[in-house]
Amino acid sequence: VQLVETGGGLVQPGGSLRLSCEVSGLTVSSSYMSWVRQAPGKGLEWVSVIYTGGSTYYADSVKGRFTISRDNSKNMLYLQMNSLRAEDTAVYYCATIPLPGIAAVGFYVWGQGTMVTVSS
Amino acid sequence: DIQMTQSPSTLSASVGDRVTITCRASQSFSSRLAWYQHKPGKAPKLLIYDASTLESGVPSRFSGSGSGTESTLTISSLQPDDFATYYCQQYKSYSLTFGGGTKVEIK
Repeated sequence: VQLVETGGGLVQPGGSLRLSCEVSGLTVSSSYMSWVRQAPGKGLEWVSVIYTGGSTYYADSVKGRFTISRDNSKNMLYLQMNSLRAEDTAVYYCATIPLPGIAAVGFYVWGQGTMVTVSS
Repeated sequence: DIQMTQSPSTLSASVGDRVTITCRASQSFSSRLAWYQHKPGKAPKLLIYDASTLESGVPSRFSGSGSGTESTLTISSLQPDDFATYYCQQYKSYSLTFGGGTKVEIK
């Protein structure tokens, strides 16, 4: 199983960016996929999740600005980030992690991450 | 949201030491708790889920215990590869939350 994030970079405050996660070794449509971030010098922060049925959840800090989605035909996961702020600067990871209401069965995996810098 | 507090924030230890990290929650997570190891520039690695279940491939020197509002990660004999930052994460309810991390340093 491999997750590879791309799409990070430097963006101005108020700008937009779309992150992609190429998934291999598992099927994105039948997996519970999340985005987690880590700001410089800070700890891990959960951002969003998409369930197999298409339900989505977001952290309050990104609700209304970020959108998680997937393309089943390409086996890809995405994070559309709008109205970006300096505090969104972080390494963004796509991952499979344990979730509420879902039996934990192991074999969780994370990507290497992609850096997003929001600065003028 | 369930707030997660880890202690200590930094821990200095030697190879072969027994190391214990504690995670306390502002409300019950039941046993819906995971532990991760994170090294700089690398992907975080899940070690333990459901508070005490060892993830496949993780060495048996790692163990987890606890439920309710407190959980403990123990490394029975610290190895050179274990120097890293460790995080707990609750998945009892949204919003998912992580502890602030415990950095295990070489003494």
